[in-house]
Amino acid sequence: LAKTTQPISMDSYEGQEVNITCSHNNIATNDYITWYQQFPSQGPRFIIQGYKTKVTNEVASLFIPADRKSSTLSLPRVSLSDTAVYYCLVGDYMDTGRRALTFGSGTRLQVQP
Amino acid sequence: EPEVTQTPSHQVTQMGQEVILRCVPISNHLYFYWYRQILGQKVEFLVSFYNNEISEKSEIFDDQFSVERPDGSNFTLKIRSTKLEDSAMYFCASRKGTVANYGYTFGSGTRLTVV
Repeated sequence: LAKTTQPISMDSYEGQEVNITCSHNNIATNDYITWYQQFPSQGPRFIIQGYKTKVTNEVASLFIPADRKSSTLSLPRVSLSDTAVYYCLVGDYMDTGRRALTFGSGTRLQVQP
Repeated sequence: EPEVTQTPSHQVTQMGQEVILRCVPISNHLYFYWYRQILGQKVEFLVSFYNNEISEKSEIFDDQFSVERPDGSNFTLKIRSTKLEDSAMYFCASRKGTVANYGYTFGSGTRLTVV
């Protein structure tokens, strides 16, 4: 599994756009990039997944450059409720489903009023 | 939105006792998982389960742990003789299939406290 590096913490204010970048230099051809969000005392929640270029859903956007060695999760206009830990995961999830998710330490986002 | 349901939300047990943590995965999901998170630490994989058998397990998942899907809806994690270091949040997760955009759905967890 490709190793990922992301900032330990970030601070923002309500209404701002937040971009969290994840480095994954050893990403393999079959690897997908997935982001999860975790609130205290809750399970991780799937946010977005992509392979290349840009993916957007109702919650976030994911930007992946052509070399795929990094990715950026973009949260538009954050609110206090976006305060959470965000995890970047890279792996080949196209296999039989046996492959376990490997969580790193994540990025702790603190949104201030 | 379909949910993965875990019970109980909090369990306190004495060291050496057996505990069973219960999960009801999303009904049309085929792949099931247990993870745990010790307070302040990373989410760690324990075991994956597919087609009524264990697919993969981590080093944490030793002989004290077992999983079962007894009736086609529940998915349980049993710890035979709990230790203090088993105190953690235990998360069940399920997944519909292996297509890339099938994300994992996690439950809200069971907080296990071993005293």
